[in-house]
Amino acid sequence: DEQLAESGGGVVQPGRSLRLSCTGSGFTFGQYALGWVRQAPGRGLEWISFIRSRTYGGTTQYAAPVRGRFSISRDDSRNVAYLQMNSLRADDTAVYYCARDGHRTWNFDLWGRGTLVTVSS
Amino acid sequence: DIQMTQSPSFVSASVGDTVTITCQASQDIDKSLSWYHQKPGKAPNFVMYIGPTFRSGVASRFWGSGSGTDYTLTISDLQPEDFGVYYCQQSESFPLTFGGGTRLEIK
Repeated sequence: DEQLAESGGGVVQPGRSLRLSCTGSGFTFGQYALGWVRQAPGRGLEWISFIRSRTYGGTTQYAAPVRGRFSISRDDSRNVAYLQMNSLRADDTAVYYCARDGHRTWNFDLWGRGTLVTVSS
Repeated sequence: DIQMTQSPSFVSASVGDTVTITCQASQDIDKSLSWYHQKPGKAPNFVMYIGPTFRSGVASRFWGSGSGTDYTLTISDLQPEDFGVYYCQQSESFPLTFGGGTRLEIK
């Protein structure tokens, strides 16, 4: 059964850092690009980051609100992707989902359950 | 950035009905358009991609179409499990962008 599982969420003070993990199972993790999508409470979906597979250079993309503060990476030997979040702000409060690009079409055919990040003093 | 506008924002329908949701892009996205379904408190689920490279496996009750800037998702023979929020997403260019969502309520 193909799955993604996020971890690392929690409550963090403004200005601090947090690292989220996304662990894949049931498929060849390294063959796929991955993305992070977040959803603020009561709001819609917002794409924030994307990393291609090593075959396609492992290059990354970021949405403007997080560029320069967040960093996406992957360790295919451990079937894990990371989202390093620095200089967190209150408006980063959201459920963060990891998602797989199953067909190199920059959309997401497999999603994790999400992890909640709350930025509050 | 490509803006995605969905309508209606809310629709109420009965089991067995047919509903159509629309998504309009601020520029031509060449069918690089996906639909997702999210139930309350759950992660989104991929419904379909209507682009030229592949067609996803999805129940035949769901039909996606469109071109250029205008796209639709039609759900026929509505079932109770179809309630929730539907989002469109363009994958023509980065930044990837989602529509604001259409909430489907089953009467």
